[in-house]
Amino acid sequence: GAGVSQSPSNKVTEKGKDVELRCDPISGHTALYWYRQSLGQGLEFLIYFQGNSAPDKSGLPSDRFSAERTGGSVSTLTIQRTQQEDSAVYLCASSLGWAFNEQFFGPGTRLTVL
Amino acid sequence: DQQVKQNSPSLSVQEGRISILNCDYTNSMFDYFLWYKKYPAEGPTFLISISSIKDKNEDGRFTVFLNKSAKHLSLHIVPSQPGDSAVYFCAATVGQGGKLIFGQGTELSVKP
Repeated sequence: GAGVSQSPSNKVTEKGKDVELRCDPISGHTALYWYRQSLGQGLEFLIYFQGNSAPDKSGLPSDRFSAERTGGSVSTLTIQRTQQEDSAVYLCASSLGWAFNEQFFGPGTRLTVL
Repeated sequence: DQQVKQNSPSLSVQEGRISILNCDYTNSMFDYFLWYKKYPAEGPTFLISISSIKDKNEDGRFTVFLNKSAKHLSLHIVPSQPGDSAVYFCAATVGQGGKLIFGQGTELSVKP
């Protein structure tokens, strides 16, 4: 596929459980970003990977959140011990690299924590 | 603190008229600005951008204006079409390739 893909599209979990969200960026894009959008809010930056550089984790809201990017391609966002306030749409984006500001977004994963 | 603000949560416009969406920012370090459009259950799609060295950028029906002294940008859509109905987000960044800081969005409704 040509675009950014994310899975699952929807995830319902119970408070306290761990969840993993997956992102497949556009082939050849070296930069990958995670954002989340809570109800009625704008997009909130979480983490940014660029090539082999150390990721920018400055947006992660707590140490329950982590992300990794394997082989410079697929990324997984993990939320441990989920809380109800983690409920949001989690969006992944990719771009051609550090010199490019235009980011291409996936459809998102809607996470609901009961 | 909200560094990028869209103070109008919604806007309704008649088909064929102009839509003007506004965005204010507080961080004077921002040097690149983007507008994204989002339909329900889809990710945002890039619409148009502007560098801080310019004050206007035009692409078809879409024009973005930047007023650096006022820390204000606006998106003009002329003429508006029903298919333009969506949520519009402005975003800003410092330098190249980094994180985008988004506003809260404005929901545009274009009525036939």
